[in-house]
Amino acid sequence: DTAVSQTPKYLVTQMGNDKSIKCEQNLGHDTMYWYKQDSKKFLKIMFSYNNKELIINETVPNRFSPKSPDKAHLNLHINSLELGDSAVYFCASSWVRNSAGTGELFFGEGSRLTVL
Amino acid sequence: DAKTTQPTSMDCAEGRAANLPCNHSTISGNEYVYWYRQIHSQGPQYIIHGLKNNETNEMASLIITEDRKSSTLILPHATLRDTAVYYCIVPQGGKLIFGQGTELSVKP
Repeated sequence: DTAVSQTPKYLVTQMGNDKSIKCEQNLGHDTMYWYKQDSKKFLKIMFSYNNKELIINETVPNRFSPKSPDKAHLNLHINSLELGDSAVYFCASSWVRNSAGTGELFFGEGSRLTVL
Repeated sequence: DAKTTQPTSMDCAEGRAANLPCNHSTISGNEYVYWYRQIHSQGPQYIIHGLKNNETNEMASLIITEDRKSSTLILPHATLRDTAVYYCIVPQGGKLIFGQGTELSVKP
């Protein structure tokens, strides 16, 4: 069983469209994340949810809207897609942050978004 | 919050130990050091973390200097499948911030 699964794995779309990426984890974790990895391979945290509540929101355009219907799911919706949104988006999950800072994060395999 | 510096790239012969260094000279007393790796086209994978003491698990060993200003990740018997980018991270504000990491190439 895949611990953190994302769909779709590949997404090609036109500028201006709206698209969603879904993420599900079956590890019973409390916290979920979205990371973006651009063409230069830098991994940047975008959002973090703990028990369906937003706890980290980096300086991400408000065209990006995460939604967590329950603690096992964290979906990412992107409005009015732009060329610069092309990247690989990784979902991750972990136990609630403890004294160690973040705990161990489990990452999904990524969703490669290409905006034409 | 502590930041880390790592060499951009390293080579290692298959079967030999790979020693990946990391400097975190501004780390504070209660901050942990985490190591992750990312194999090409896959999501990052947790390897190990530590605070003060050296740590070992089935994947690697982590050696932290006494002053905690640097650490070394050791893959005792590197294989071709260990070729990846290795990230040394000190969480900042409870967040894992990935830097450029060290690109390790294990060669036959």
